[in-house]
Amino acid sequence: ELKVEQNPLFLSMQEGKNYTIYCNYSTTSDRLYWYRQDPGKSLESLFVLLSNGAVKQEGRLMASLDTKARLSTLHITAAVHDLSATYFCAVLNYGGSQGNLIFGKGTKLSVKP
Amino acid sequence: DAGITQSPRYKITETGRQVTLMCHQTWSHSYMFWYRQDLGHGLRLIYYSAAADITDKGEVPDGYVVSRSKTENFPLTLESATRSQTSVYFCASSEWSTSGGGELFFGEGSRLTVL
Repeated sequence: ELKVEQNPLFLSMQEGKNYTIYCNYSTTSDRLYWYRQDPGKSLESLFVLLSNGAVKQEGRLMASLDTKARLSTLHITAAVHDLSATYFCAVLNYGGSQGNLIFGKGTKLSVKP
Repeated sequence: DAGITQSPRYKITETGRQVTLMCHQTWSHSYMFWYRQDLGHGLRLIYYSAAADITDKGEVPDGYVVSRSKTENFPLTLESATRSQTSVYFCASSEWSTSGGGELFFGEGSRLTVL
């Protein structure tokens, strides 16, 4: 059974600082997705990582995937208040029906001035 | 407009009543999903569908029924609502292939309160 763990679950950062969110998963998969959710809103796709070593960057966020370690990271550079949100990673579950994603519990990020 | 829409966005009902949450997508995606989101649990898969007339259970299917007679619609029914089904429900769709994709596109969510 595929399990996805994120850490930390809560993260309070100061503006301008750097930090990394980790996403570990328990069984083989080569597809990983990062989403952002603002309070009371839906989930917005940030990154799609489709192979070992994949790296994607958008603004102050950079995501990477190491399928051998079963680990993805979401790195935040020089955080700003607008990045405050909950971030979810999700892993494609090959053990289930094709297309089935298993989500981590999310990392609630708060960026303070 | 293209996209995925859910209705109703907000619903209050009483224990024991039947409730149907609607989901409609205009992308002709093959896959559709229903997740529920609860504090401390993240998103949990209720049911999914790989195509019209093909549905399967997810992690937490008990108390829910789905159907998919048309590719674009994927309604979720709570046959006899319970307080534990108070949650935010998200419908999503995707297109998956061996070469890529699989990204889920989410609706705006339906917030259900069972009294």
